[in-house]
Amino acid sequence: KNEVEQSPQNLTAQEGEFITINCSYSVGISALHWLQQHPGGGIVSLFMLSSGKKKHGRLIATINIQEKHSSLHITASHPRDSAVYICAVPNYGGSQGNLIFGKGTKLSVKP
Amino acid sequence: EPEVTQTPSHQVTQMGQEVILRCVPISNHLYFYWYRQILGQKVEFLVSFYNNEISEKSEIFDDQFSVERPDGSNFTLKIRSTKLEDSAMYFCASRRLGGETQYFGPGTRLLVL
Repeated sequence: KNEVEQSPQNLTAQEGEFITINCSYSVGISALHWLQQHPGGGIVSLFMLSSGKKKHGRLIATINIQEKHSSLHITASHPRDSAVYICAVPNYGGSQGNLIFGKGTKLSVKP
Repeated sequence: EPEVTQTPSHQVTQMGQEVILRCVPISNHLYFYWYRQILGQKVEFLVSFYNNEISEKSEIFDDQFSVERPDGSNFTLKIRSTKLEDSAMYFCASRRLGGETQYFGPGTRLLVL
């Protein structure tokens, strides 16, 4: 069974700062998900990645499969980026649906 | 843009009552999921569904829970006899064949009194 650790738990930044959120997991996986949970509770899938790096706008996700570690970066952060960012991995390595979620990183970006 | 919808958005029920949470996945998606999030805790996987049957389920998904795709559009989660600890936000998600991304619904907030 996989275990997921995220850090930091809480992060406060000034608008424009570069943000990094980290995720580590214990069991080798086929792919890792980064999700965003809005203050109202809704969840949006940001990335699914199995190797290397993906970029979408100001968001960049990287993964190191050997080290079982992924990072989510936000460049030029903005108050609208304030949300909880969650990392999720397959429970048994290869499954697509049976995901184990991290506790999330609560990001607050101040103007 | 197509989206996953869930009804109701909020439901309050008495302990021991049955509840049915409804989801309408994106129309060409074939994989369906239910997750829950107890207030202040992590999101937890409940069950995945493909080809009209359960493909995986977690330890949480005991005999009190069942899922169904009663027609071509709805995907339901039934809790047979609710307990106080079933109070949570329940999220449905769907994914297309060969797709990477799961699309989440807005959630149903269930409160069991």
